[in-house]
Amino acid sequence: DGGITQSPKYLFRKEGQNVTLSCEQNLNHDAMYWYRQDPGQGLRLIYYSQIVNDFQKGDIAEGYSVSREKKESFPLTVTSAQKNPTAFYLCASTDSLNTGELFFGEGSRLTVL
Amino acid sequence: GENVEQHPSTLSVQEGDSAVIKCTYSDSASNYFPWYKQELGKRPQLIIDIRSNVGEKKDQRIAVTLNKTAKHFSLHITETQPEDSAVYFCAASSYSGGGADGLTFGKGTHLIIQP
Repeated sequence: DGGITQSPKYLFRKEGQNVTLSCEQNLNHDAMYWYRQDPGQGLRLIYYSQIVNDFQKGDIAEGYSVSREKKESFPLTVTSAQKNPTAFYLCASTDSLNTGELFFGEGSRLTVL
Repeated sequence: GENVEQHPSTLSVQEGDSAVIKCTYSDSASNYFPWYKQELGKRPQLIIDIRSNVGEKKDQRIAVTLNKTAKHFSLHITETQPEDSAVYFCAASSYSGGGADGLTFGKGTHLIIQP
């Protein structure tokens, strides 16, 4: 069953703690993306990676970090420096040589207590 | 950078009627305009897209129109059904053969289909 898997689906953390969200894909896509979704705000790009061992900041990268050690995996760390981390996080991938269609995971909802 | 405005933020229509969602963009270099549908609690999925060399594209009950001169594009849904209830996002990018890093999304429209 091909697709993108995000975990955990729900996560609670205390202020001052870092947390890492997992994103794995078996679509053999080169490019992967992290978006943040807030009510009434659409989808905002946090980080993206077009190839292994390379990634670029998106529009709202402050307080976040990523790595891309394997083609299939693109974890996102929400650090304590992120001022307002409570949000719904979506991971996506695309076959950059094809249509550009984004394939999304089911998302991770992070709540900071 | 690109700025995409989407209206309305909420749209309620009677089942069987048509629904229209409109988006405007600011970057005249944008040439790829996808629409994503996100049902409650689910992931966004591409439902239709259009490129700048085409003025209109249809797929069964949905259609998208593009006016490059005015820099706006619209999603049209005819004969609406309960399963059309969702949040719809428009987006624009200067797509040049791949990658979504240049994709800018609108803020979304919550479409409600009234029985």
